[in-house]
Amino acid sequence: AQRVTQPEKLLSVFKGAPVELKCNYSYSGSPELFWYVQYSRQRLQLLLRHISRESIKGFTADLNKGETSFHLKKPFAQEEDSAMYYCALSKGGSEKLVFGKGTKLTVNP
Amino acid sequence: EPEVTQTPSHQVTQMGQEVILRCVPISNHLYFYWYRQILGQKVEFLVSFYNNEISEKSEIFDDQFSVERPDGSNFTLKIRSTKLEDSAMYFCASRAGQLNTEAFFGQGTRLTVV
Repeated sequence: AQRVTQPEKLLSVFKGAPVELKCNYSYSGSPELFWYVQYSRQRLQLLLRHISRESIKGFTADLNKGETSFHLKKPFAQEEDSAMYYCALSKGGSEKLVFGKGTKLTVNP
Repeated sequence: EPEVTQTPSHQVTQMGQEVILRCVPISNHLYFYWYRQILGQKVEFLVSFYNNEISEKSEIFDDQFSVERPDGSNFTLKIRSTKLEDSAMYFCASRAGQLNTEAFFGQGTRLTVV
């Protein structure tokens, strides 16, 4: 069975500080990993996926198969980064997404 | 930019009543999904739909639930006899194709069963 764990329900940092949102997964195959973000009163939107290996809004995430992790990082947090962040896993292709419980990030001025 | 649209944004219904949640996926998308999020809990997969049939459903998606794509544009989720525990945010999502793995989500319908 696939499972995604986000151990931090809440994370609070100051503007300009580094931020890391943790995500661990459980899946025996080769998963596709994603980070989705939900800003206040907005829809879920894709932030990053591991296959594209890109940096969006200064965020990066590296898939570590040995540690089964896909942590989201940003070196200098901004106030506009405050949102709910969800890590998600898929078996690939058009398969469903399995979500973690989410981490609420608050960036304080 | 194309968006997935859901209506209504909020629905209140009495226990035992039927509800239909509506979604208009992005046109030319082929794969459709319903997810739900009970308050304080994770987003959970309900059902996926492709080529006019269910491709996968979760154990949550029992006989009380059904999906339909009646006219080639709308994608509906019906709950026949709502229970209090069906109260949740329901999200529709669509994907363009099998190789394009980005799922686009609607803004959600908040269902409250009283």
